[in-house]
This record gives sequence, structure tokens and C-alpha cells, in this order.
Amino acid sequence: AQSVTQLGSHVSVSEGALVLLRCNYSSSVPPYLFWYVQYPNQGLQLLLKYTTGATLVKGINGFEAEFKKSETSFHLTKPSAHMSDAAEYFCAVTLFSGGYNKLIFGAGTRLAVHP
Amino acid sequence: SAVISQKPSRDICQRGTSLTIQCQVDSQVTMMFWYRQQPGQSLTLIATANQGSEATYESGFVIDKFPISRPNLTFSTLTVSNMSPEDSSIYLCSIRTGFMETEAFFGQGTRLTVV
Repeated sequence: AQSVTQLGSHVSVSEGALVLLRCNYSSSVPPYLFWYVQYPNQGLQLLLKYTTGATLVKGINGFEAEFKKSETSFHLTKPSAHMSDAAEYFCAVTLFSGGYNKLIFGAGTRLAVHP
Repeated sequence: SAVISQKPSRDICQRGTSLTIQCQVDSQVTMMFWYRQQPGQSLTLIATANQGSEATYESGFVIDKFPISRPNLTFSTLTVSNMSPEDSSIYLCSIRTGFMETEAFFGQGTRLTVV
């Protein structure tokens, strides 16, 4: 069965520092993987996704993630953190069930950015 | 991308009462989903709202507690029935434009507090 594990429920970085949010998945089939961001009092916004093809995926707001099959990972990175990046980040994997894809979410990582 | 509007955005309700949450999309969509996000936790899929037929519920969720309507391809409602404080959560509507479409879009959510 598909599942997602996000390492670290809280991550704190300095403004300008590297952001690294970790995600490992479990899937019996080639996965589709996603990162979503949730700002306070808002819904989820898609940052980026991997389906097939190039394993390094670039998303919005300078984020990128690399699909590493050998490590079953899909870590999210950004070279230089900005104060506006403070939010909750969710990794998700698709579960094919009942004739369509469902999203299975990780527990989330809250990113704090301090001056 | 489609615009998803949820109403109400937040509410405070008395235990034992029911609340109906509306989800309106500005275009016809194939797949509509309802999620629950309990305080400090990730998203859990409640059910898939099927147009013209009964919703498909995930394990742990039942129709009597969370009745869902999907009268057309642009609208769905979720009712939280006989509420208790444990139902205090954010409820999110999500759409996907096709059965095998990978990308999901989310409404801004309804923040429910039961007192």
C-alpha cells in the first residue's frame, strides 16, 4: 500500500539559508509524487509534481524536488529561504483505487523562517 | 486552473447540531473529494463525491455522519451531522479534472469549531 513519511514535523531555517524538507514514500507501483504548501488559513496549493520523465522537478517560488527511486525519496529543496516561505508543507503520493487516483498525504512539515 | 469556492469559510457550532458545507467550482469537473484536516494534522480523505450516485466513503467515515450530495458537475455539499467537539477540523473540498488526472486543486477550506 502507498504511504508517505515526512521526516521532521518542524523545520526552522534562517532567511537566505537552504531549505530541505524530507519525504520518503512507499509504493508498490511507480508513484506519482507531489508537494503542496498551505499558508495560514488557506487551502493547499500545488508546488510541484513528479509523474514521469526527468527526476529533478522544478516548481513555483524557487522550489524543486528530486525523485530518487533507489532511496524512495522525494525531498523538497530551495537554495535560499525567504520569510514568505513560512508555511506548512505536505508531501503526497497517489493511490490508484476504485478506478481513479486518490492522494495520500504525509503528516506535514511546518517551516519557520527567521531573520 | 479551476476556481473553487467553499462556504462558509468558518463557523462555530453547538454540539448536537449539523452544518452543511458547500463547494462550488467555476467549471465542470469529473472528480470531487472531501478531506478533513484535524488540528495540527495532515489531510484525511473522507469520501469521493460522485455525480449522480452515492458518495464513496473511506474507512472510518460513514454516510450517516457525513452525508454528501453531488447534484451536478460543479457543486457538492458535505454535511457534518450531530457534531461533537471531536469534529472540530478544517474541511476541504478538492477537485480533479479527469479520472486519471494527476493534479488536484483545493478550496480554501471551512474551519469548523464545535463547542
